[in-house]
Amino acid sequence: ETGVTQSPTHLIKTRGQQVTLRCSSQSGHNTVSWYQQALGQGPQFIFQYYREEENGRGNFPPRFSGLQFPNYSSELNVNALELDDSALYLCASSLGGVLSSYEQYFGPGTRLTVT
Amino acid sequence: DQQVKQNSPSLSVQEGRISILNCDYTNSMFDYFLWYKKYPAEGPTFLISISSIKDKNEDGRFTVFLNKSAKHLSLHIVPSQPGDSAVYFCAASARGGAQKLVFGQGTRLTINP
Repeated sequence: ETGVTQSPTHLIKTRGQQVTLRCSSQSGHNTVSWYQQALGQGPQFIFQYYREEENGRGNFPPRFSGLQFPNYSSELNVNALELDDSALYLCASSLGGVLSSYEQYFGPGTRLTVT
Repeated sequence: DQQVKQNSPSLSVQEGRISILNCDYTNSMFDYFLWYKKYPAEGPTFLISISSIKDKNEDGRFTVFLNKSAKHLSLHIVPSQPGDSAVYFCAASARGGAQKLVFGQGTRLTINP
């Protein structure tokens, strides 16, 4: 069974730029959630995708957007980067639908630094 | 508005003793609770969970207790081992809509030999 993978591991961007982060979900999982973890805080929910549709969104502005692909992998896009976007971005996969489960399984994260 | 709170930023316990990590929540709609463990440079790892219809769930050295009336849950680790040193996050989820997890701020557990 393949776990959740994320790329890249680290990224440095300049304020105003755009970034794309990638995630491959655990095999058998059809739901992907993205979280932002600032230093010293718990992860904050950004949004969730189920069967390629956005299934819920946290308190993040529209410049945070995402995609889920037919193989259930996912992308997180952030436009017009701000210094406060510097954080660890975590992807988590889970099983949604009729056999849904609350447990989410996380990837190692992408550390984004905005300068 | 912090719906899930872990009021102890850090906890230090001697190897072999019991570690007790606490978590409080405010949202009555939460019906499922989870504990995650996080090592540096890794993502959170799922440890144990409990449904709101139960008050206790055990898995090996880990036991989670839920007190719904007090909106409080705790994670007990017995006996504590050096490999348990990590940051522990409490998370909660509510039925319906996106199964988003709402996390506490985390407690750093250090197990001393």
